[in-house]
Amino acid sequence: AQKITQTQPGMFVQEKEAVTLDCTYDTSDQSYGLFWYKQPSSGEMIFLIYQGSYDEQNATEGRYSLNFQKARKSANLVISASQLGDSAMYFCAMREGSDYGQNFVFGPGTRLSVLP
Amino acid sequence: NAGVMQNPRHLVRRRGQEARLRCSPMKGHSHVYWYRQLPEEGLKFMVYLQKENIIDESGMPKERFSAEFPKEGPSILRIQQVVRGDSAAYFCASSSGLIYEQYFGPGTRLTVT
Repeated sequence: AQKITQTQPGMFVQEKEAVTLDCTYDTSDQSYGLFWYKQPSSGEMIFLIYQGSYDEQNATEGRYSLNFQKARKSANLVISASQLGDSAMYFCAMREGSDYGQNFVFGPGTRLSVLP
Repeated sequence: NAGVMQNPRHLVRRRGQEARLRCSPMKGHSHVYWYRQLPEEGLKFMVYLQKENIIDESGMPKERFSAEFPKEGPSILRIQQVVRGDSAAYFCASSSGLIYEQYFGPGTRLTVT
């Protein structure tokens, strides 16, 4: 079974508009972390934002915010005021709680294209 | 404060040759992870190492692939007798036990001809 589902293979957004990238996850652990990474065409993986399962507030980092709905097991990324440089692949990832550390499971990604 | 370093950035090997990919974690990080990314796909976990120990290798193919993280020096991902299907981007990430996020290197793009 898929642990991380990203149902939007591709998304388009107009520059300066907000966009939401969907992510749902599957875990039976009580302690876990959710992450979003950006991969531009140059290929590097850039960490964007983190949400812990026990965090009560939604995480925010500049123009990025994470809409965390624990009961629905969703962790959608919201990008406000899109910029052309936001065009990239976006990956949702989960770290399940474990004393042995931090195996991340990644979703298949969403390709975001920002239109001028 | 140097980030995670990987070399080489691009590697071309003929079928049957060996590929050695290197990863130097961020300063102060003792946890290293290797991932493989096939074209147009997400990252797939391969192996998680701490200094001199393999903690979790559940994502490693059983044959031809090995990884190490010696006491001194970088972590090495070794692929013996490469085949065309090994062509992919291989990412290394590192973290501290105290910090949740993993920091990724720029990746090594392996092409098998």
